Amino acid sequence: EVQLVESGGASVQPGGSLRLSCAASGFTFNIYSMNWVRQTPGKGLEWVAYIDPRSSAISYADSVKGRFTVSRENADNSLYLQMNSLRDDDTAVYYCARAAYASGPDNWGQGALVTVSS
Amino acid sequence: QSALTQPPSVSAAPGQRVTISCSGSSSNIGNNYVSWYQQLPGTAPKLLISENNKRPSGIPDRFSGSKSGTSATLGITGLQTGDEADYYCGTWDNNLSAVVFGGGTKLTVL
Repeated sequence: EVQLVESGGASVQPGGSLRLSCAASGFTFNIYSMNWVRQTPGKGLEWVAYIDPRSSAISYADSVKGRFTVSRENADNSLYLQMNSLRDDDTAVYYCARAAYASGPDNWGQGALVTVSS
Repeated sequence: QSALTQPPSVSAAPGQRVTISCSGSSSNIGNNYVSWYQQLPGTAPKLLISENNKRPSGIPDRFSGSKSGTSATLGITGLQTGDEADYYCGTWDNNLSAVVFGGGTKLTVL
């Protein structure tokens, strides 16, 4: 069974930094691309970042480009999202999601809540 | 504004059938697979339909998907009160090199 478990969600002040982690199990992590997707409370889904299996292809939403960095450690079956210069509008539940070929994600974690507020 | 367009809400009576549309462009739906997700309140999205029309294991055949050109449709038959949820379509966009989602459709079972 595919399992994705996010951790690291917290409350942080504007301008601060936070690192989210996603522990993957139940599948061969090093052959799958991965995504981070976020959802503001009461709103829709917003794709944040994509990383391919070897970290050779990485892309970001314009709203986070230059502030967020996605990375992975295949040896540990782990995905990360380093978030810097956080803003109020980054407040959201952040989901780790396994990529499916030429489509939306096929498996999602339970989410990690990030609250940016002074 | 979402790259994919869905109606904000749909409603139908228990036992009835409902469809939810998802409209995109040649850079996304037109040349890639569409997925559909169900999100119950307070939970993570769950894959309902993959590759336009395939149901993952455990998804009832009351749920179906189709695609034509740059649009896709989710169909739900035999509506149950437990189907009340938000439904999203999603796919890959070749121009943006990004996953794109619809804005979501809230299903109410009257």
